[in-house]
Amino acid sequence: AQSVTQLGSHVSVSEGALVLLRCNYSSSVPPYLFWYVQYPNQGLQLLLKYTSAATLVKGINGFEAEFKKSETSFHLTKPSAHMSDAAEYFCAVTEGYSSASKIIFGSGTRLSIRP
Amino acid sequence: DGGITQSPKYLFRKEGQNVTLSCEQNLNHDAMYWYRQDPGQGLRLIYYSQIVNDFQKGDIAEGYSVSREKKESFPLTVTSAQKNPTAFYLCASSISGGPNNEQFFGPGTRLTVL
Repeated sequence: AQSVTQLGSHVSVSEGALVLLRCNYSSSVPPYLFWYVQYPNQGLQLLLKYTSAATLVKGINGFEAEFKKSETSFHLTKPSAHMSDAAEYFCAVTEGYSSASKIIFGSGTRLSIRP
Repeated sequence: DGGITQSPKYLFRKEGQNVTLSCEQNLNHDAMYWYRQDPGQGLRLIYYSQIVNDFQKGDIAEGYSVSREKKESFPLTVTSAQKNPTAFYLCASSISGGPNNEQFFGPGTRLTVL
């Protein structure tokens, strides 16, 4: 079964600093990977998704993620953090390749931004 | 505007009572999902439906039931058999159940058992 590991349940960075949120997946075949963001007491919103078209994926709000097969990683980055980036971020991977596929979510990383 | 609505936003239940959480979408999506979110555990799949009048159990279906009588609606009932129902419940939909289709989420319902 697929699994997703997010290293660090809480990450804190200064405003303007680099944001790096780590995600590793377990898969023996190329997966479909996603990053979602959740603001307090709201649903999840898609940031970006990897579908094998390109290893560097650009998303909304200046975020991007790089798929590295050799490291089974899909880390999320943003060059310069903004206060509005404070939220919880979830990495997710698709389990299965049929119309009955399910998405497996990581446990989440809470991002805090220091002024 | 197209989207997913969930109601109510907050729900309080006494022990032993069944409650039903509403989820409606006007995106014309075939697939719909219910997740439970607990602090530090991410999202866990309760039930999902790929098409009207059909649904499957997810990873934590015990104590929950669903129906899918209409394409746009996927209500979740939390029964008295669910031992620890206090949580944040999220409904989602996707255009179909395919592996690369993103899921769109509603704003969630926070259920508290008194």
